[in-house]
Amino acid sequence: GDSVTQMEGPVTLSEEAFLTINCTYTATGYPSLFWYVQYPGEGLQLLLKATKADDKGSNKGFEATYRKETTSFHLEKGSVQVSDSAVYFCALSSNDYKLSFGAGTTVTVRA
Amino acid sequence: DGGITQSPKYLFRKEGQNVTLSCEQNLNHDAMYWYRQDPGQGLRLIYYSQIVNDFQKGDIAEGYSVSREKKESFPLTVTSAQKNPTAFYLCASTSERGRTQPQHFGDGTRLSIL
Repeated sequence: GDSVTQMEGPVTLSEEAFLTINCTYTATGYPSLFWYVQYPGEGLQLLLKATKADDKGSNKGFEATYRKETTSFHLEKGSVQVSDSAVYFCALSSNDYKLSFGAGTTVTVRA
Repeated sequence: DGGITQSPKYLFRKEGQNVTLSCEQNLNHDAMYWYRQDPGQGLRLIYYSQIVNDFQKGDIAEGYSVSREKKESFPLTVTSAQKNPTAFYLCASTSERGRTQPQHFGDGTRLSIL
């Protein structure tokens, strides 16, 4: 079945540091890939998505490229801010109705 | 503004009691979903509905029930058969079927045992 593996957290960074969160997946067919972000006490918000191989999703300075050859969708940001502190989830969809989520990575950015 | 409203934000359940979590959306979305989130784990699908008066079990449906009588509403009942109900529950919706469509989430309900 479908599965998503994210790097374990927590991750603690200083402001303006470079952030990478690794995500690899196992899926049948040609899945779409997503990154969601969850701030404390809130639901999930879509951060970015990619629907086919070599697509790059980007939003708010975050980027991720759909790499079919390595089954990966790593999230990157060049210079993080305190406001980027949150839990980040990688997810995939390989059929019409279901999302499969990774376990989430908690990121804390210190001023 | 359009969105998904979950209520209440916090809910407490006594032993042997059923409780119902509300989820309402004004996005005119066809499909709705319920997820359970536990610390250190990803989201797990409880139930989903792609159309009014129809719903399907997800991966962890035991001890839960749902109804879909209206397009905008998808309430979740946590029954007394669910022995470990303490978790954060998230409702989501999406505009149409298709693997490229992202899901939109509410702000969640945190359920605890008294």
